[in-house]
Amino acid sequence: SAVISQKPSRDICQRGTSLTIQCQVDSQVTMMFWYRQQPGQSLTLIATANQGSEATYESGFVIDKFPISRPNLTFSTLTVSNMSPEDSSIYLCSADRSNYGYTFGSGTRLTVV
Amino acid sequence: DAKTTQPPSMDCAEGRAANLPCNHSTISGNEYVYWYRQIHSQGPQYIIHGLKNNETNEMASLIITEDRKSSTLILPHATLRDTAVYYCIVRAVGIKAAGNKLTFGGGTRVLVKP
Repeated sequence: SAVISQKPSRDICQRGTSLTIQCQVDSQVTMMFWYRQQPGQSLTLIATANQGSEATYESGFVIDKFPISRPNLTFSTLTVSNMSPEDSSIYLCSADRSNYGYTFGSGTRLTVV
Repeated sequence: DAKTTQPPSMDCAEGRAANLPCNHSTISGNEYVYWYRQIHSQGPQYIIHGLKNNETNEMASLIITEDRKSSTLILPHATLRDTAVYYCIVRAVGIKAAGNKLTFGGGTRVLVKP
């Protein structure tokens, strides 16, 4: 299956700042996704990153807070903007490998202080 | 996508088979059953998926009932490294409107004990 590199693996950020998370896939994929996992919780889908068009956001997530870029078929970024302590979570990207399921990155553990 | 119901937790003995149940009574005809697991501090890992036939790979077996309203993931010889949260997900494949997205429920926290 595809290998996904995600960075940074962790960061501690000041409130009010922004952090951009990068996700690199080792092969071209049609669809990439960004998830959030709050402490002790399951994964929640933030948005689908579409190549060549705007990302599709799930209910409760907005572009101004979580802008996403997808410049090509192997790369995507998620920015967490104007951070507050409530944004402290693990953020994961994943790629759709069609019938063989999704592959996930190892996640970015974000702490906002 | 249809919802799934899993027990929140279960313990298994090392070396024994672990049988993880999942109910998906509202599954549609074009929805597959997927299983993922998440080991602590890692991203979810794909295990297996199926439509209506039983499936087996090097990691596990998937048994789907004839009416497709439930399934069981079987880890044939559980090891301590199988301790993880296991997610059962139903997902439509090949339908653009659904976005092919994976929706995670609460999962089953499996603890393999020596």
